Amino acid sequence: GNSVTQMEGPVTLSEEAFLTINCTYTATGYPSLFWYVQYPGEGLQLLLKATKADDKGSNKGFEATYRKETTSFHLEKGSVQVSDSAVYFCALSGVAGKSTFGDGTTLTVKP
Amino acid sequence: GAGVSQSPSNKVTEKGKDVELRCDPISGHTALYWYRQSLGQGLEFLIYFQGNSAPDKSGLPSDRFSAERTGGSVSTLTIQRTQQEDSAVYLCASSLGGPGADSPLHFGNGTRLTVT
Repeated sequence: GNSVTQMEGPVTLSEEAFLTINCTYTATGYPSLFWYVQYPGEGLQLLLKATKADDKGSNKGFEATYRKETTSFHLEKGSVQVSDSAVYFCALSGVAGKSTFGDGTTLTVKP
Repeated sequence: GAGVSQSPSNKVTEKGKDVELRCDPISGHTALYWYRQSLGQGLEFLIYFQGNSAPDKSGLPSDRFSAERTGGSVSTLTIQRTQQEDSAVYLCASSLGGPGADSPLHFGNGTRLTVT
């Protein structure tokens, strides 16, 4: 079946540092890939998505590129802010429409 | 428009009691999911409804858990004879769904269940 593996956390960075959260997947066919974010005390919300190989999803300074050859969808941001502190989830939507999530990575950004 | 609505937002119950959690998805969304999120943990998949197809119940942790979706819309997750380990936030999500769909999930704010 489909699966998503995320870099284990927690991740702690200083403000303005570069962020990478690794995500790899196993899936049949050609899934769509997503990053969701859960800010403290809030619900999960979509951060960005990519629907086919070599697509780059971007939002709020975050980017992730759909790499079919390495089955990866790593999340990056060039300069993190304290307000980026949250839990980040990588996910895929399989050919049958069902979504599969990774375990989440907690990011803490210190001033 | 209205998002995914869950009720109640908080539920405290005694061990051994039954509870019902409700989810009202976004109108027109054919796919509906229930997840469980324990403190500091990731998302644990419970059940998935897609249109009129038989639900994927592969994530339900025991036969005390059941869910139904009436008329392809509102869903109820029922936990019978609750145990303390059932304490968690129960999240509902919906999406346009369908085979090959790339539509993202829209989550409700969850129901925080505490079993005492």
